Amino acid sequence: EVQLVESGGGLVQPGRSLRLSCEASGFRFDDYAMHWVRQIPGKGLEWVSGISWNSATMTYADSVKGRFTISRDNAKNSLYLQMNSLRVGDTAFYYCAKDKNLATTGPITYWGQGTLVTVSS
Amino acid sequence: EIVLTQSPGTLSLSPGERATLSCRASQSISSSYLAWYQHKPGQAPRLLIYGASDRATGIPRRFSGSGSGTDFTLTISRLEPEDFAVYYCQHYDSSPSLIFGGGTKVEIK
Repeated sequence: EVQLVESGGGLVQPGRSLRLSCEASGFRFDDYAMHWVRQIPGKGLEWVSGISWNSATMTYADSVKGRFTISRDNAKNSLYLQMNSLRVGDTAFYYCAKDKNLATTGPITYWGQGTLVTVSS
Repeated sequence: EIVLTQSPGTLSLSPGERATLSCRASQSISSSYLAWYQHKPGQAPRLLIYGASDRATGIPRRFSGSGSGTDFTLTISRLEPEDFAVYYCQHYDSSPSLIFGGGTKVEIK
């Protein structure tokens, strides 16, 4: 059974940093691209970032480019999102998600339950 | 950049009724790269349809997808109680990003 478990969310002040983690199990992690997708409470889904199976390709939404960094450790079956210079508008549930393919082309086949990041002073 | 517009915003129906959800793209997209997801509060979203019409693993037959070009449809033939949720369409292979529509909420009438 595919499982994606996010951690690292919480309350953080504007301008500070936070690192999200996602532990994957139930599939061969290094055979698939991975993504982070977020949902502002009460709003729709917004793709944040994607990384190919071998970390050769990393892509970002314009809203986070230059502030967020996606990475993965295939030996640890883990995905990460380093979030710097956080803004109030980054407040959202962040979902770890598994791609159907090696590259970040989608679609997303499995999602985690999400972790809440709240940016507030 | 392609924009996906979903309609209606909210669909109020009774169990057993047919639900028809629309997803319109701002420009023509390949039907090979259109997906639908179901999202219930407090749960992980679930892939329903990819390639515009292919059901994902374990998805019941009552869910079907169709369309091409700029107009795509998700149909739920007979609503079950567990189908009341928010549904999103998505265009993928739109490097560098994956694009979501704004969502349609299917609520109990």
